[in-house]
Amino acid sequence: AQTVTQSQPEMSVQEAETVTLSCTYDTSESDYYLFWYKQPPSRQMILVIRQEAYKQQNATENRFSVNFQKAAKSFSLKISDSQLGDAAMYFCAYAGLRDDKIIFGKGTRLHILP
Amino acid sequence: DGGITQSPKYLFRKEGQNVTLSCEQNLNHDAMYWYRQDPGQGLRLIYYSQIVNDFQKGDIAEGYSVSREKKESFPLTVTSAQKNPTAFYLCASSVQAGTGSEAFFGQGTRLTVV
Repeated sequence: AQTVTQSQPEMSVQEAETVTLSCTYDTSESDYYLFWYKQPPSRQMILVIRQEAYKQQNATENRFSVNFQKAAKSFSLKISDSQLGDAAMYFCAYAGLRDDKIIFGKGTRLHILP
Repeated sequence: DGGITQSPKYLFRKEGQNVTLSCEQNLNHDAMYWYRQDPGQGLRLIYYSQIVNDFQKGDIAEGYSVSREKKESFPLTVTSAQKNPTAFYLCASSVQAGTGSEAFFGQGTRLTVV
């Protein structure tokens, strides 16, 4: 069974600095998708970034980028120029092609220090 | 506006009573999901459905039941057999399961059993 592990329950970063959130996963599939979702205090889940496993190029969305290491089964999220609005829970998620489930990690709570 | 709607936002029930959480989407998505969120546990999959009249158990299905009689609706019933039902419940949908498409989430229902 696929699993997603986020080893950092909480992190803090100074405003305008860069922070990296870690995620590892386990799967026997070769093709799959990985996601980072943000859950702000409103609790509305928002997609931050999406990576297709067959693409070697790391996905980027403005200040958000990933470091996808397929062999190591690692999928970290880098937030550059951190802003107060980035404070939230961040969830890493996995979706296989053969398995129809979307599996989430336990999340990392990110604090932004002014 | 297209979206996914959960109702009610807050729900209180007495212990031993069944309760049904509503989830409706007008995105024309085939796949729908129910997750339970507890502090420190991330999102855990309860049930998911790929198409109308079909659904599968997730990781924590015991004490829950679902139906998928219409494409746009995927209600979740929390039965009296669920030992610890107080939690935040999230419903999601995606275009098609197993394709890596983004999951869109409702705003959640906070269930409190007293």
